[in-house]
Amino acid sequence: DAGITQSPRHKVTETGTPVTLRCHQTENHRYMYWYRQDPGHGLRLIHYSYGVKDTDKGEVSDGYSVSRSKTEDFLLTLESATSSQTSVYFCAISGDFNQPQHFGDGTRLSIL
Amino acid sequence: SQQGEEDPQALSIQEGENATMNCSYKTSINNLQWYRQNSGRGLVHLILIRSNEREKHSGRLRVTLDTSKKSSSLLITASRAADTASYFCATYRSGANSKLTFGKGITLSVRP
Repeated sequence: DAGITQSPRHKVTETGTPVTLRCHQTENHRYMYWYRQDPGHGLRLIHYSYGVKDTDKGEVSDGYSVSRSKTEDFLLTLESATSSQTSVYFCAISGDFNQPQHFGDGTRLSIL
Repeated sequence: SQQGEEDPQALSIQEGENATMNCSYKTSINNLQWYRQNSGRGLVHLILIRSNEREKHSGRLRVTLDTSKKSSSLLITASRAADTASYFCATYRSGANSKLTFGKGITLSVRP
């Protein structure tokens, strides 16, 4: 398996609190992605990064920010969590944009 | 949207039977990818087929692509209980706003 670690794996928090999810890779891949997976919606791209300090928005970026200060780490932050952000979040990496992506095992986030 | 749409949404078969899953999309693509997701885990890449290819094989997997019909099929031969999972197609198109777009997935159950 590609070396991708997501932390935490589970988190329960309250509405209005800030939340940061971490994705760490050991593959030295250029591209990193954050997705959310919800029943009936499949996998939707939140943000992605194409290099250190280079990020761009996906289709559901509102309410989320990201940072990538090192090749191996990609952080997803919910500045003020809302119940609609309850979801399973996946990090993925790839060597290039058109290449297969390798996924972490996800973070299950519940916002009460 | 170039999002792939899988068909059927759910499939239940007996061990040893073949499973066929279909994916349709709306715009021209550069490649199409199939992924598997076991319960509670991240997606795993299975196979990538480029727009100039018609068929690819990998072990018990056979993928076809018909760009004139904008459709692809994934065939799993001699299915096993361990093939029970969700299967996703994802389409990639280069250019402005290029990204990998996932369908909502097919749930495959293989009965022992």
